[in-house]
Amino acid sequence: GDSVTQMEGPVTLSEEAFLTINCTYTATGYPSLFWYVQYPGEGLQLLLKATKADDKGSNKGFEATYRKETTSFHLEKGSVQVSDSAVYFCALSRGQAGTALIFGKGTTLSVSS
Amino acid sequence: DAGVIQSPRHEVTEMGQEVTLRCKPISGHNSLFWYRQTMMRGLELLIYFNNNVPIDDSGMPEDRFSAKMPNASFSTLKIQPSEPRDSAVYFCASRPGTENYGYTFGSGTRLTVV
Repeated sequence: GDSVTQMEGPVTLSEEAFLTINCTYTATGYPSLFWYVQYPGEGLQLLLKATKADDKGSNKGFEATYRKETTSFHLEKGSVQVSDSAVYFCALSRGQAGTALIFGKGTTLSVSS
Repeated sequence: DAGVIQSPRHEVTEMGQEVTLRCKPISGHNSLFWYRQTMMRGLELLIYFNNNVPIDDSGMPEDRFSAKMPNASFSTLKIQPSEPRDSAVYFCASRPGTENYGYTFGSGTRLTVV
C-alpha cells in the first residue's frame, strides 16, 4: 500500500547549519506531497507542498522538490534557526477523491544557539 | 477565518467517565479528520468524514470510541467509558473538497484519564 518513510530523528544542529530531512514515498498514481511542522504544544501546520513531479515547494526558507524518479521529497533549509526546532512530518495525498493524507512518523529537529 | 476550533483545550477525567471532544471545521471545507497523537504511537488517523458522512473508521481503536458529524460545522468524538490508555492529544483537521489541498489542523485537545 501507499506509505511515507522519513529519516529517524532526532536531528540536532547548531544555528545556521544546513538542514536535510529525508522523505521517500511509495504510491500508485500521482500523489501530491506535503511537509507539515508541529511546534511544541501546537497542532500541525502546513509548511509547503508540491502537486506534480519536479515541482518545488518553498516557505519560510524551507524547500522540497518532488522527485518522481527517486520517489523522494526531501526537506532542506540553508541556515536553521533556534525557532525552527519542531517536529516535521512528510505526507502524501493518494490523489483519489475523498481520501486521507498518509503521514510519516515525524522527525524531531532540535537547533541550539 | 478562525481556523479549525477544538474544545476543550485540556480535559482531565477519571477512568470510566464519558468524554466528549468537539470540533468546528473551517467553513466550506468538505472533509473532516480526527487524529490521535501519543509519544508511543505517533499520529494515528481515527476516522474521517466527507460531506458529513463517515468514510473510514478503521482507525477507531474500539467500540468505546464513537464520532459524529451532525452538520457541516460541527463534529464530536466521544469516548465512553474512558481509560488511562486513552490519554493523548486529539486533533481535528479539515480540508476543502480537493485532495491536493493540505489539511488545516486545530490546536488539539490534551486528554488525561486518571
